[in-house]
Amino acid sequence: EPEVTQTPSHQVTQMGQEVILRCVPISNHLYFYWYRQILGQKVEFLVSFYNNEISEKSEIFDDQFSVERPDGSNFTLKIRSTKLEDSAMYFCASSTIWGSGTQYFGPGTRLLVL
Amino acid sequence: GESVGLHLPTLSVQEGDNSIINCAYSNSASDYFIWYKQESGKGPQFIIDIRSNMDKRQGQRVTVLLNKTVKHLSLQIAATQPGDSAVYFCAETGSGGFKTIFGAGTRLFVKA
Repeated sequence: EPEVTQTPSHQVTQMGQEVILRCVPISNHLYFYWYRQILGQKVEFLVSFYNNEISEKSEIFDDQFSVERPDGSNFTLKIRSTKLEDSAMYFCASSTIWGSGTQYFGPGTRLLVL
Repeated sequence: GESVGLHLPTLSVQEGDNSIINCAYSNSASDYFIWYKQESGKGPQFIIDIRSNMDKRQGQRVTVLLNKTVKHLSLQIAATQPGDSAVYFCAETGSGGFKTIFGAGTRLFVKA
């Protein structure tokens, strides 16, 4: 069964550094998403992406964040100048159509900012 | 603003019993309501969704009920099994379709 993959599974970085989280969505999916989940809290929407542009973003997704689909398979989340409060699990998801619940989530990248 | 919340943070049930997990939402414009299951260390897993023009939808051992009058969503799990132990999130997709708002989560414990 096809699945969303994410790398790395864990990332430790120093405050102020830039990190790039990578995702490979399911191959025939057209809509891509990033979420984050601070330990013990709910999943928070960051951004959705379709047709090589951001469709919608949350208030969390400020200028510190950017997304890119550099090629036909990868979908990346870049966090510039990381802060302690960026420590969280970051999930990528993808779907074939918008609006439905059938978003397939990856296993996540646990980011720890020291 | 938009919010999706859960009534109970934890639910403990006996194996074989039915489980009911409840959720309240506030955005009347939401188009889809979704239930996700999240096991420890994993990403959310889609269970079932329901469109706003429906009030009930059934899947395998799961049923979702939507009451738009009181803005209430519930997930019923029949014959709960130990493998159902997880955190369950309700979520809503807004009218634009690109933003999914998750609730706080309910942890389901299934006692053998």
